[in-house]
Amino acid sequence: DGGITQSPKYLFRKEGQNVTLSCEQNLNHDAMYWYRQDPGQGLRLIYYSQIVNDFQKGDIAEGYSVSREKKESFPLTVTSAQKNPTAFYLCASRPEKTSGSTDTQYFGPGTRLTVL
Amino acid sequence: GDSVTQMEGPVTLSEEAFLTINCTYTATGYPSLFWYVQYPGEGLQLLLKATKADDKGSNKGFEATYRKETTSFHLEKGSVQVSDSAVYFCALLSGGYNKLIFGAGTRLAVHP
Repeated sequence: DGGITQSPKYLFRKEGQNVTLSCEQNLNHDAMYWYRQDPGQGLRLIYYSQIVNDFQKGDIAEGYSVSREKKESFPLTVTSAQKNPTAFYLCASRPEKTSGSTDTQYFGPGTRLTVL
Repeated sequence: GDSVTQMEGPVTLSEEAFLTINCTYTATGYPSLFWYVQYPGEGLQLLLKATKADDKGSNKGFEATYRKETTSFHLEKGSVQVSDSAVYFCALLSGGYNKLIFGAGTRLAVHP
């Protein structure tokens, strides 16, 4: 089955700790995205990557970091510098020009992070 | 900058009622428009989309028409079911890197 997987589904962190959220896709998509969702709000873009070894900050990148060493993987690290990290985190990917509908992003199931 | 405004929820309907969720946008040019649906505890699923003015997107009985005159993309369904209970997000595609701009979401609750 092709798709996007995120792990873990639930994650608990103590204040002051860094934590890494996993995002893997086997859709052969080039572009990948990380969004944050807070209750009663829409999604906000944290980081995005259009190709391997390249990524750009989104609207709310402070306190987060990413890497893109492989096409399939785009992990997000929530650092201790993120002031309010409790949220639902969603990863998405998008095909490139040769793969059909290039404007549509496909989402993973999400990771709910709670800071204790 | 680009933005999306959705009607506030929650929207509560009886089964088989008609549904409308309003969505208006502000954007440069004519961006692609989307409706995504989120079931409890899950990620977002693409419901439908439209890429140019007067296009109608449709899926699973839901429809939305891209209206450039009114900068709107309202979601409609003729007869809702309990299984349609979810949060619905309107979004537009913005910028060269295909960033999605989302509305705040509208929660729909359908009761038997």
